[in-house]
Amino acid sequence: AQTIHQWPVAEIKAVGSPLSLGCTIKGKSSPNLYWYWQATGGTLQQLFYSITVGQVESVVQLNLSASRPKDDQFILSTEKLLLSHSGFYLCAWSLGGSYEQYFGPGTRLTVL
Amino acid sequence: QQKVQQSPESLIVPEGGMASLNCTSSDRNVDYFWWYRQHSGKSPKMLMSIFSNGEKEEGRFTVHLNKASLHTSLHIRDSQPSDSALYLCAAYNYAQGLTFGLGTRVSVFP
Repeated sequence: AQTIHQWPVAEIKAVGSPLSLGCTIKGKSSPNLYWYWQATGGTLQQLFYSITVGQVESVVQLNLSASRPKDDQFILSTEKLLLSHSGFYLCAWSLGGSYEQYFGPGTRLTVL
Repeated sequence: QQKVQQSPESLIVPEGGMASLNCTSSDRNVDYFWWYRQHSGKSPKMLMSIFSNGEKEEGRFTVHLNKASLHTSLHIRDSQPSDSALYLCAAYNYAQGLTFGLGTRVSVFP
């Protein structure tokens, strides 16, 4: 069975500080991977997607970057956090672009 | 840019009642529609998907799709308090991937 983990579960960070969020998928090789951001009470905004190791496509520019250093790992980061970065960050995987996406448990980020 | 419009924004349903949610895509090239349910503080879980014109039923949930009007609807019968959640409609096309609507917040009161 496939499992998806995200870390950390929650973060409270200061404006201007760096950030690194992680996501790991076990039990599935070469999945498509996605990062989403959700403002409190809002919809899901896709940020990045990756079809293969080392390749990441940006969907929305939010002063964030993403990397896929391993087949089963997806990292979201920034060197300088903004207040507007607060929200719920979700990692998801799918077998392909047209397949169902399975979401991880998410990381709740509060920027003060 | 594909847009996915959902209505109503929120819905209050008595326990045992019927909830009807709507979703329309602005993109004629949409291939699939997905319905996700997200309980407060949790991640979204896929509820139902529909690719062809017509109706699909799974338990208390029924999804309709009219591809000509790019409209899908989700109906929840015999609503339960555990159905209280944010319901997200997502439309997929090859060029733009998956686009989510703003959601409909459903509250079921006993």
